[in-house]
Amino acid sequence: QQQVKQSPQSLIVQKGGISIINCAYENTAFDYFPWYQQFPGKGPALLIAIRPDVSEKKEGRFTISFNKSAKQFSLHIMDSQPGDSATYFCAASSGNYQLIWGAGTKLIIKP
Amino acid sequence: SQTIHQWPATLVQPVGSPLSLECTVEGTSNPNLYWYRQAAGRGLQLLFYSVGIGQISSEVPQNLSASRPQDRQFILSSKKLLLSDSGFYLCAWSVLRRERFFGPGTRLTVL
Repeated sequence: QQQVKQSPQSLIVQKGGISIINCAYENTAFDYFPWYQQFPGKGPALLIAIRPDVSEKKEGRFTISFNKSAKQFSLHIMDSQPGDSATYFCAASSGNYQLIWGAGTKLIIKP
Repeated sequence: SQTIHQWPATLVQPVGSPLSLECTVEGTSNPNLYWYRQAAGRGLQLLFYSVGIGQISSEVPQNLSASRPQDRQFILSSKKLLLSDSGFYLCAWSVLRRERFFGPGTRLTVL
């Protein structure tokens, strides 16, 4: 199974709150899991990525949590700010040229 | 540093007209190049990728084609546009690492 299932489709969070976006996969050969951030009218940009040998990776307010046994990974945005309002994509790769993308989550941070 | 250019930024074309979108990368050699399409409010669909000059792999059968005449140039073409070809077209590159670096995109509207 090459799909990556992302949820929720959209998310509204109050400023200062925690935003959580989840992704699930089936292919156990996946060994690279990035998150991309896309602002309207722009191309996506890499936000943070993780490999399955660690359970968590943190960069500033952004954290990826990885659960290998459940085949799930999630993005947590702490102290969410209006500037974080964007569409977020998870993805997974198994080393070839393919990067399997989730469907995206539109995140809105209310001031 | 590496830079990726796409043009035009926006394009409005009638149904049945031809299409040519160009992407060039600076500051890197022998990149992997990709064309993605993103429908409004949707995820990323990989259309073509290329690992070298003249080497094109198609992911989705359609009326689009791609060419790579030079190492850092990637062109997306169509002989006759369909209404369903409307969308946001993104060029991306990668080298060794799996991170995709995206261009600014071309917004295509077919009327």
